[in-house]
Amino acid sequence: GESVGLHLPTLSVQEGDNSIINCAYSNSASDYFIWYKQESGKGPQFIIDIRSNMDKRQGQRVTVLLNKTVKHLSLQIAATQPGDSAVYFCAENYENRDDKIIFGKGTRLHILP
Amino acid sequence: KAGVTQTPRYLIKTRGQQVTLSCSPISGHRSVSWYQQTPGQGLQFLFEYFSETQRNKGNFPGRFSGRQFSNSRSEMNVSTLELGDSALYLCASSTGQDNEKLFFGSGTQLSVL
Repeated sequence: GESVGLHLPTLSVQEGDNSIINCAYSNSASDYFIWYKQESGKGPQFIIDIRSNMDKRQGQRVTVLLNKTVKHLSLQIAATQPGDSAVYFCAENYENRDDKIIFGKGTRLHILP
Repeated sequence: KAGVTQTPRYLIKTRGQQVTLSCSPISGHRSVSWYQQTPGQGLQFLFEYFSETQRNKGNFPGRFSGRQFSNSRSEMNVSTLELGDSALYLCASSTGQDNEKLFFGSGTQLSVL
C-alpha cells in the first residue's frame, strides 16, 4: 500500500494567511522527501525537497519541516496567494528503492478571498 | 532549456485498442519515469528507463510497456485498453542519480470509451 499519505484531502486558507500542509510516511528507511505542486491541467512542479539529515529547509515563501521521530513532514507556505491554489503532493524515496519516488494522494489547497 | 515534452496532449481510444505515448526529457537527462494519475489512486509509478534499459518497474500488468531510445526519448505503450486505463499519464525526467527530484511534463490525458 501507500507509504506516504496526507492528513487532509482539502485545506481552505484565507488569502494572506500561512498554510500548513501535513504528510505522514511509514517507511523509516526513507531518506529523501519532496513537495510538489500541481495546478489544473499541468504536471507536478517541484517546490522544495529535504534529506533526512536535516529537519528544516527554507525556500522562497515555503518551509519544509521533517520530524523523523514521528515520520511526519509538513509544508508551510507563508502569506498564501491566489496563485498557490493547487494540489500539493508529498513524495518520498530512499536510496536503491526499486519503485522510485512514491507519492501521497495529495491535498487540495483553496485560497479564500 | 526546454522542459519535459509529452505528446499527444489528449487521446481518445476505445476498449481493446492500443496506444503509444511519447515523452522527450530535458536535454541531458538520461532517466525517464512514467506515472499514471487517477482521482482515486493518485500518482502510481509505472516504470523507469535509464540509458535505454528499464531500471525500475511498478505493479502494473504486462499490457503496460515502454522503451527508451538512444536520445533518451521514451515511449510507453498500453495494449488491449480497458476502461480503467483512462487516466493522466505523466512522464518525468532526471539525470538518474539516487534521491533526486523529478521534472514532470504536462501529461497525456487518455480517455478509453
